Amino acid sequence: DTGVSQDPRHKITKRGQNVTFRCDPISEHNRLYWYRQTLGQGPEFLTYFQNEAQLEKSRLLSDRFSAERPKGSFSTLEIQRTEQGDSAMYLCASSLSFSESTDTQYFGPGTRLTVL
Amino acid sequence: QKEVEQNSGPLSVPEGAIASLNCTYSDRGSQSFFWYRQYSGKSPELIMFIYSNGDKEDGRFTAQLNKASQYVSLLIRDSQPSDSATYLCAVNRWNFGNEKLTFGTGTRLTIIP
Repeated sequence: DTGVSQDPRHKITKRGQNVTFRCDPISEHNRLYWYRQTLGQGPEFLTYFQNEAQLEKSRLLSDRFSAERPKGSFSTLEIQRTEQGDSAMYLCASSLSFSESTDTQYFGPGTRLTVL
Repeated sequence: QKEVEQNSGPLSVPEGAIASLNCTYSDRGSQSFFWYRQYSGKSPELIMFIYSNGDKEDGRFTAQLNKASQYVSLLIRDSQPSDSATYLCAVNRWNFGNEKLTFGTGTRLTIIP
């Protein structure tokens, strides 16, 4: 399978604990995006990387959230001191983008986080 | 006003009929428009994208874009039960270096056998 992969697929944690999610993009894709989706809503943008550079962060991304993409390959999203409101599906998407072309994003299977 | 609006449905369509899904957007700077299909509990799956006014066909799917009216639609011909899912409309401003997708809340489609 050469699609976007995410790990873990499900995570249950207690309030106040830290969690970390991993995303492996499609090989050679230079852009990687994180979104969050809650029930009945569309995905909401959190942040994105071009290669290893984090180019934009949403206002939704509080100080408790941090994302990295070392060496421009896989990415991690960490949530510190989780709250019940963090319960959601965390989606990763990747794309191969270069100037003058539209950016088509392909999503991974997501990590479903439940904060008790 | 939401940036991307969709009728949440549910939209029920008989098998074999045409399903019509609609989406409006508020940002006139939007350049690219995407339709994703999402089955319950799964992640969004890209169906097609469009960025020029008019129609774009791909198999049983046709996307229609009218930038003057800020309207994009998806037609599904010969609807099948496997088409039952939530359909998400997404737009971006395509400005190199700023290409996040803004999604609507999705329209739930049910194909009735």
